[in-house]
Amino acid sequence: NAGVMQNPRHLVRRRGQEARLRCSPMKGHSHVYWYRQLPEEGLKFMVYLQKENIIDESGMPKERFSAEFPKEGPSILRIQQVVRGDSAAYFCASSPRQGASTGELFFGEGSRLTVL
Amino acid sequence: GENVEQHPSTLSVQEGDSAVIKCTYSDSASNYFPWYKQELGKRPQLIIDIRSNVGEKKDQRIAVTLNKTAKHFSLHITETQPEDSAVYFCAASKDDYKLSFGAGTTVTVRA
Repeated sequence: NAGVMQNPRHLVRRRGQEARLRCSPMKGHSHVYWYRQLPEEGLKFMVYLQKENIIDESGMPKERFSAEFPKEGPSILRIQQVVRGDSAAYFCASSPRQGASTGELFFGEGSRLTVL
Repeated sequence: GENVEQHPSTLSVQEGDSAVIKCTYSDSASNYFPWYKQELGKRPQLIIDIRSNVGEKKDQRIAVTLNKTAKHFSLHITETQPEDSAVYFCAASKDDYKLSFGAGTTVTVRA
């Protein structure tokens, strides 16, 4: 099992450009979660998705950020018109069923976005 | 929303000594408390967790205690080894998927 795969691992963008981060969950996992980690801080919940559905996006900024998890293919976190404050590590996690308390929530290695 | 505070932010211990990290949470409805270890540039990995119906849990050199009345929980690492050096995060959850993380504790084990 390859684990949760995220790409790119590192992404550099200039202000105003778009960033697309991809996450392939572990095999058999249909629940995906995105978290953001700012430097020297803990992870902050952004969004929870199942296939073709956004379950909870309460942690997503209201503008410029969107997420999807299509029927086929990876989950994508999209950031439009990036600003320097978007520089962070973005972690994806997946689980076979809803919830972390099953102990089956696995994180990917993260995508580190740097905005110049 | 849930607010999790974690102390200390850095911790240096001599190899073989114990390390203790403490967290407090604000939402009394939280019922799941995991601890994650993150090495530099790597993904967070679950090392131990505890649910609100349990006061203490132990796994080899790692133990976690929970005081629901006081709304705090702690991680204890005994007989520390150099490979224990990492950033440790506590978290709390009531929704079962929306984890609220502490700011992290950088643990350095001196050989």
